[in-house]
Amino acid sequence: QGQLQESGPGLVKPSETLSLTCTVSGDSITDYYWTWIRQSPGQGLEWIGYSHYTGSTKYNPSLKSRVTISLDTSKNQFSLKLTSVTAADTAVYYCAREGTAVGMAVWGQGITVTVSS
Amino acid sequence: DIQMTQSPSTLSASIGDRVTFTCRTSQSIGHWLAWYQQKPGKAPKLLIYKASSLETGVPSRFSASGSGTDFTLTISSLQPDDFATYYCQQYNGFPYTFGQGTKLEI
Repeated sequence: QGQLQESGPGLVKPSETLSLTCTVSGDSITDYYWTWIRQSPGQGLEWIGYSHYTGSTKYNPSLKSRVTISLDTSKNQFSLKLTSVTAADTAVYYCAREGTAVGMAVWGQGITVTVSS
Repeated sequence: DIQMTQSPSTLSASIGDRVTFTCRTSQSIGHWLAWYQQKPGKAPKLLIYKASSLETGVPSRFSASGSGTDFTLTISSLQPDDFATYYCQQYNGFPYTFGQGTKLEI
């Protein structure tokens, strides 16, 4: 079973870009759909989007103009970039592995990102 | 977006009880539904996929059913480790969406 680990800054200033990396171990990044999900304090779960090594990407339309998910096959990592952040983007961000039609079976532990000046 | 409605929001139960959670979607999603368990400070854990398929390693006291717009998750005999929040998630259409969760408490 693969393992995922998020990394990145825990504090981002408003209007700047949030950048997170998810390191994949035990799996090849050329398999599966690699996904980001976030959870705001006291709120539910929001799917941000996914990327597949074939180039297939899907984003949540609520974030689509600001979000990019990309894969680095040489490092077995994938990343999330979210531009022009506001306090509303403060959340715990999770990376996850999604199999074809079988849900998200592997999750990272989550990383808390606060947007504040 | 496909709206997900879970009920109840909170469920109080005791060890050994049989409990059922409900998830309803705003449009038909076939059987493209997953259930997750989340404990405080932890990532969600996949329990069920394709509406009724038990994820490897998940105890058999968990079962689920449904298709179309109405789905249920059942725990046959509650154990202390089961007290958590449970979320349903549809993956029939983009964006994927989650229910607001049902908190299972003692």
